Amino acid sequence: SQTIHQWPATLVQPVGSPLSLECTVEGTSNPNLYWYRQAAGRGLQLLFYSVGIGQISSEVPQNLSASRPQDRQFILSSKKLLLSDSGFYLCAWSGGQLNEKLFFGSGTQLSVL
Amino acid sequence: DQQVKQNSPSLSVQEGRISILNCDYTNSMFDYFLWYKKYPAEGPTFLISISSIKDKNEDGRFTVFLNKSAKHLSLHIVPSQPGDSAVYFCAASENRGSYQLTFGKGTKLSVIP
Repeated sequence: SQTIHQWPATLVQPVGSPLSLECTVEGTSNPNLYWYRQAAGRGLQLLFYSVGIGQISSEVPQNLSASRPQDRQFILSSKKLLLSDSGFYLCAWSGGQLNEKLFFGSGTQLSVL
Repeated sequence: DQQVKQNSPSLSVQEGRISILNCDYTNSMFDYFLWYKKYPAEGPTFLISISSIKDKNEDGRFTVFLNKSAKHLSLHIVPSQPGDSAVYFCAASENRGSYQLTFGKGTKLSVIP
């Protein structure tokens, strides 16, 4: 069966520090991978998605970047965090044509202070 | 601009009664709708979906109704159970192959024993 791992679960970082969140998927090959963010009082917002190694699409301009160095690994990064980067970050995957049926990781609560 | 709106941030229901969660959308191009359920400290999980060619889809205790003319959908849970207590997100996409899901802000359901 497929599983998705996301870490860390919580993270407190100072403004201006770098960020690296990692997500890996097991039990499937060539998944579509996604990074979502839920800011306080808001819905889930798609940040990035990837349909293959090295292929990244960004949905909103921001202070963050994503990379997919391996088929089942998706990384969310920032060189310098802003206060507005605080939020709940979720990695997700989907397969085949049913891109809307997402399987989410457990999320990372990021607090930028 | 919120294209998917869940106007009730919270809802309390007695165990055994019906829970009705509502969702409105503004984008007439949306043609596929989903509900996700989220427990604290976990990622959302897919619950049920409906295509715009239908007006009802049922899965056990969960039924989703779609009113395209009103741009409104609802999730009915009958009978409600304490384990249903969670945040429910409504989501929509412009087609089933789309990588972009637009989520509402969520409704927190509390089922009181």
